[in-house]
Amino acid sequence: GQQLNQSPQSMFIQEGEDVSMNCTSSSIFNTWLWYKQEPGEGPVLLIALYKAGELTSNGRLTAQFGITRKDSFLNISASIPSDVGIYFCAGRRQGGSEKLVFGKGTKLTVNP
Amino acid sequence: ETGVTQSPTHLIKTRGQQVTLRCSSQSGHNTVSWYQQALGQGPQFIFQYYREEENGRGNFPPRFSGLQFPNYSSELNVNALELDDSALYLCASRRNPGPLGSSPLHFGNGTRLTVT
Repeated sequence: GQQLNQSPQSMFIQEGEDVSMNCTSSSIFNTWLWYKQEPGEGPVLLIALYKAGELTSNGRLTAQFGITRKDSFLNISASIPSDVGIYFCAGRRQGGSEKLVFGKGTKLTVNP
Repeated sequence: ETGVTQSPTHLIKTRGQQVTLRCSSQSGHNTVSWYQQALGQGPQFIFQYYREEENGRGNFPPRFSGLQFPNYSSELNVNALELDDSALYLCASRRNPGPLGSSPLHFGNGTRLTVT
C-alpha cells in the first residue's frame, strides 16, 4: 500500500540534543499529522497541521506544513529519555474518507 | 487514555481460519476506522464506518469486512486468514463531522494477530 517517504529511519541521540525528521510525498495532502507510538500501544496524536506553511508547536515539539503541501517536518528540542519511541507522519487528502496515509516511521533512541 | 478499547490484545490463528476483532469507542464517536500495521511499517487504512455504514475502503480484499453498532462498538472480520495477515490491527475513532483538529482521531492499543 501507499506510504509516505519518512526520514531518517532511525536516530540515536544524546539527551538534550535537538531532533529533526521529515516526510515527503509525490501527492498533495490537505492535512498533515504527526503521531508517536510506544511499544504495545497505539499511535498518539502529537500535532495536526491544516494549512500550507502552518507552523505549530506543542511543548518542545514543532511541526510545519510545507508550502507545496507535499511535505512536513517535525522538530523536537532538548530531547529527554521519554521521547523514545517511533514517530509517524500521516497525510490526509481532501474528501469524505478519513483515510490517513502513514510514513514508515522514525525510531528515536535517546541516550541519557 | 484515548477511550478506544480493543479486544483481544493478542490472538493466534491458523491459516484458513476466520477471526473477529472488537473495538469499543467513546460515546459520540460515530466514525470508526480500522488500520493494519505490519511489523516495521506504518499503519495501512483498511476501511471506515460512519453511522453503521462503510464509507471508505483501502486496498484490502473483500475477505476483510466490518460492522459498526449503535453503541459505538465495532468489529473487524477477516475470513480465510493468510500468513501475511499477521499484524497489529488498530481501531481509531472520532466525532463527525468537523475538522480533524477539533476532533482528533484516537487510536486504541491494537490487537496483535499472529497467523501460523
